[in-house]
Amino acid sequence: GESVGLHLPTLSVQEGDNSIINCAYSNSASDYFIWYKQESGKGPQFIIDIRSNMDKRQGQRVTVLLNKTVKHLSLQIAATQPGDSAVYFCAEKGTDKLIFGTGTRLQVFP
Amino acid sequence: NAGVTQTPKFRILKIGQSMTLQCTQDMNHNYMYWYRQDPGMGLKLIYYSVGAGITDKGEVPNGYNVSRSTTEDFPLRLELAAPSQTSVYFCASSYLQGNEKLFFGSGTQLSVL
Repeated sequence: GESVGLHLPTLSVQEGDNSIINCAYSNSASDYFIWYKQESGKGPQFIIDIRSNMDKRQGQRVTVLLNKTVKHLSLQIAATQPGDSAVYFCAEKGTDKLIFGTGTRLQVFP
Repeated sequence: NAGVTQTPKFRILKIGQSMTLQCTQDMNHNYMYWYRQDPGMGLKLIYYSVGAGITDKGEVPNGYNVSRSTTEDFPLRLELAAPSQTSVYFCASSYLQGNEKLFFGSGTQLSVL
């Protein structure tokens, strides 16, 4: 079956450092992946997406890397700021629906 | 644009009570979804709609009902509330097919006691 998991439930980084949030997926047929950010008390907010025909995609301070060989997805945040503190979810598009992971909490300390 | 608006933000129900969670979007999106999020868990799809008059079950539809009479509104109905339905409920919409680039509301925190 399909599943999406995360390696670390909590990631603590110092302000200004780069953050890397990892995600594993199990369905090799998935062709679309998304990262969402969820701040406390709010709904998830779209960050960046990538299709399976790409290995890397960059946004503003964020980069998503896709390794289809090992079915691994990562989100890199450059120069992490206190406002980046949140729970980050990866999601894969299975047959026709998104499958969400359980999330990684990113904590940024001064 | 307000985006996706959910009401109420918080609600406490007694077992067996019923209620409707409201969701409306002003982006003219055809696709709308209801998810639930249990503590420390990912989002689970309850129901979705690909357009007015069309709804379909997601992963966890039992105990819920939906309707889609207009493009803007997608209410979620709990008929006989159970403690297992204690959760945070998120409504979402998308312009693209297949759950891509979802826009989420701010959620409804529901407790069934």
